[in-house]
Amino acid sequence: DAMVIQNPRYQVTQFGKPVTLSCSQTLNHNVMYWYQQKSSQAPKLLFHYYDKDFNNEADTPDNFQSRRPNTSFCFLDIRSPGLGDAAMYLCATSNFGGETQYFGPGTRLLVL
Amino acid sequence: SQQGEEDPQALSIQEGENATMNCSYKTSINNLQWYRQNSGRGLVHLILIRSNEREKHSGRLRVTLDTSKKSSSLLITASRAADTASYFCATEGDFGNEKLTFGTGTRLTIIP
Repeated sequence: DAMVIQNPRYQVTQFGKPVTLSCSQTLNHNVMYWYQQKSSQAPKLLFHYYDKDFNNEADTPDNFQSRRPNTSFCFLDIRSPGLGDAAMYLCATSNFGGETQYFGPGTRLLVL
Repeated sequence: SQQGEEDPQALSIQEGENATMNCSYKTSINNLQWYRQNSGRGLVHLILIRSNEREKHSGRLRVTLDTSKKSSSLLITASRAADTASYFCATEGDFGNEKLTFGTGTRLTIIP
């Protein structure tokens, strides 16, 4: 089945230790998104790619970076995680911008 | 902020009853979407309604959109225990920038 896959599902890292979260998709969608969702809050868009065109949200901290080496894969790099970065990180894809988004199961990040 | 607000924040009803959730937003939109999120999981798309539509149905779901009031409602009829989840509305602005802005969510609990 076509889907959005996120690895790992749970990630524990230490304060300040770089961490990379990955997302892959078999839907062949043009657009990929990364969201941060803290407990009982709405998903907050960090950035998105339209094909290779990177779009950063104005309030996304510089600590967060992303790479999309090909259509299928997208990575979220957190260069120096702080305690406030503990959250669920959701990857999503869509065929066209603004239309239905397909979400992966998320990666829950814990920072010690 | 364009972020929508949802009302109520939490709702508990008996199985078999109908559940209604409301969403308000601030700016003009291309479409409004509803998503469901089970605890600790990714979001699942439920239904999309375009700005020129007033009502849409999908199975036990009924969505209405009033662009003059910048509001939408989601009705779930004949609720089931499996409907227990958080429900988010999300809007695409009419500037077509491939992004969705999510509302604050309604936590729905169905009591068996």
